[in-house]
Amino acid sequence: ETGVTQSPTHLIKTRGQQVTLRCSSQSGHNTVSWYQQALGQGPQFIFQYYREEENGRGNFPPRFSGLQFPNYSSELNVNALELDDSALYLCASSWGGQETQYFGPGTRLLVL
Amino acid sequence: KNEVEQSPQNLTAQEGEFITINCSYSVGISALHWLQQHPGGGIVSLFMLSSGKKKHGRLIATINIQEKHSSLHITASHPRDSAVYICAVNSGGSNYKLTFGKGTLLTVNP
Repeated sequence: ETGVTQSPTHLIKTRGQQVTLRCSSQSGHNTVSWYQQALGQGPQFIFQYYREEENGRGNFPPRFSGLQFPNYSSELNVNALELDDSALYLCASSWGGQETQYFGPGTRLLVL
Repeated sequence: KNEVEQSPQNLTAQEGEFITINCSYSVGISALHWLQQHPGGGIVSLFMLSSGKKKHGRLIATINIQEKHSSLHITASHPRDSAVYICAVNSGGSNYKLTFGKGTLLTVNP
C-alpha cells in the first residue's frame, strides 16, 4: 500500500509568481484535503476534494485553487504569491465518509 | 479565541517522566484526533476519539465530551518521543475538515 506523497518537497518563489503543488493520495482513497501550516502554528484547512469536486473550503482567497484528477491525485495552485504564503503545505487523503486522514510529508514553500 | 486550545505550548521532560498534554475545544465535534509532527513536517495520526479512552503502547488518550476536553498521556517518556503533538477536531459536516490546535512542542532529554 502506497502512502501519501507530495511534490516538490521544497520550493522557493518570488512575490507575484504562481505555484503548483502536487499530492498523490493513498491507494484506495478518493478524498484529498489541503492544509497550510505557518511556522509555529497549527495547520489551517484550505479545501477538500471528493471525487473530483470541491467539498468544502476554508477561509482562503480565490487565488488558492485546486483540482482533483480521476486517479484522485490532486493539485493546489496559488496565484499572485504573497510573502505570507510562505508555509508548509500538507495534503491528507481519506476514504470519503470516514474521518481518519493520512498526511503526506508536506511541501515547504518560501516566498521572497 | 481559537476553537481548539492546547496546553502547554512547550514542555521539557527528563527521560522516564510521565507526560500530559491537554486540549480544550469550544465547538461540537464528531471526533477528536491526536497527531504527532516531527521536525521536517510529516504528520502521523496517533488517535481518533469520540468518547472514553484509547491506549497504544505508551500512549493514552482520553476525552470528556461534556467538558470538551481531551488529554494525551505518555508514560515512561523517551527522547524519541520529542516532537510536536497536535490536537485536532472534526466539527461534523460532510467534509470532516480538521480544525487544529497550535501544537505542543515536547522535548524529552536523556
